[in-house]
Amino acid sequence: GAVVSQHPSWVICKSGTSVKIECRSLDFQATTMFWYRQFPKQSLMLMATSNEGSKATYEQGVEKDKFLINHASLTLSTLTVTSAHPEDSSFYICSAKGTARYEQYFGPGTRLTVT
Amino acid sequence: DQQVKQNSPSLSVQEGRISILNCDYTNSMFDYFLWYKKYPAEGPTFLISISSIKDKNEDGRFTVFLNKSAKHLSLHIVPSQPGDSAVYFCAARGVTGNQFYFGTGTSLTVIP
Repeated sequence: GAVVSQHPSWVICKSGTSVKIECRSLDFQATTMFWYRQFPKQSLMLMATSNEGSKATYEQGVEKDKFLINHASLTLSTLTVTSAHPEDSSFYICSAKGTARYEQYFGPGTRLTVT
Repeated sequence: DQQVKQNSPSLSVQEGRISILNCDYTNSMFDYFLWYKKYPAEGPTFLISISSIKDKNEDGRFTVFLNKSAKHLSLHIVPSQPGDSAVYFCAARGVTGNQFYFGTGTSLTVIP
């Protein structure tokens, strides 16, 4: 149980375009979802926390207008990278947490490459 | 301010021996501690956890020890296997339930 999927697993886009990444909890209801970013050889950096039906809470230094997060249902959250630039190239990972459990379950990650 | 710290960025262990990964934290209000394992280009996988009211939790080859007075936890892997080679993150949960603080990870290499 506790499977989280992400789509796409890898995306290449041109600079200036927008990219949407989906995160789904497949077998549980995720009241809270988290979005992380990982740079090569670095730790996970929490970008934002979202609760179903409410606005996401962004970490300091993360541009909310650039990284749009929507958590419209208990099984789906989306991260849209708007007007992507090469410096946005990174590995984006989502995680989900239900009310019944205390641990987060992570998705497999999405590799974004902006050319 | 890094509330959860893993001071060893890497560790190499011979197959069959014990691997000990360490983690220190600063906030005494954390109520759960978790270990995650991560392979390259994959999301982290939950491994084992421990409540702040316990001092030991064991699951097969994995044992987590918590020393609250020292604000220190460790993950023991016995015996270590080459498939255990990965980056291990420790994490702590804040009392609100929705805040998780991750360490910077320790890269474990198990040598056959």
